[in-house]
Amino acid sequence: DIQMTQSPSSLSASVGDRVTITCRASQSIANYLNWYQQKPGKAPKFLIHAASSLHSGVPSRFSGSGSGTDFTLTISSLQPEDFATYYCQHVYSIPLTFGGGTKVEI
Amino acid sequence: QLQLQESGPGLVKPSETLSLTCTVSGGSIISSDYYWGWIRQPPGKGLEWIGTIHHSGTTYYNPSLNTRLTMSVDTSKNQFSLQLTSVTAADTGPYYCASQRLVPATTTNWFDSWGQGTLVTVSS
Repeated sequence: DIQMTQSPSSLSASVGDRVTITCRASQSIANYLNWYQQKPGKAPKFLIHAASSLHSGVPSRFSGSGSGTDFTLTISSLQPEDFATYYCQHVYSIPLTFGGGTKVEI
Repeated sequence: QLQLQESGPGLVKPSETLSLTCTVSGGSIISSDYYWGWIRQPPGKGLEWIGTIHHSGTTYYNPSLNTRLTMSVDTSKNQFSLQLTSVTAADTGPYYCASQRLVPATTTNWFDSWGQGTLVTVSS
């Protein structure tokens, strides 16, 4: 199985901050990498596919980059509604696996 | 936009079978653009992919659950389902169904619409 490791596991930030979350795959996954946002008690929300392609309706302050084994999710200017947990997920092979999550807190 | 809704018992006894159904609205389950998936989240932990099914009946299971898992699809009802046998407390947590969008001629895919989730507790 391909292991997905996110760092940090949590971070504290303020409104307006630039936030970067890292996701590392245990082997190369090309760009088969998605990002999701989850708020407490809610289902995850899809943000980005293919490492850097923003889903329709997702604010442009979100961006993704990377290929191979190292990927990043960046929020250019953190907004109050962005406080949540973020997960990366690879779709390179079966089983699909998610990272452990990064909780973005005030 | 697709809407998905999970249904099924919230309480299952240890060693019994967990059965959940996902009803799809706002689109047809017979779509060349989509597969259909289940994801769960053990309490306080991250997300775990359970399995994926196509309307043709083709399935892809997480090997960690393969021996206990069966997924099926009912195109007449626009529903898909999962059955997980011999459950234990480790199977407790919210279960989500989701649409899995495919990019033609690639293996790129993503879960773009999710149900609200249904909490399953395994306890006697």
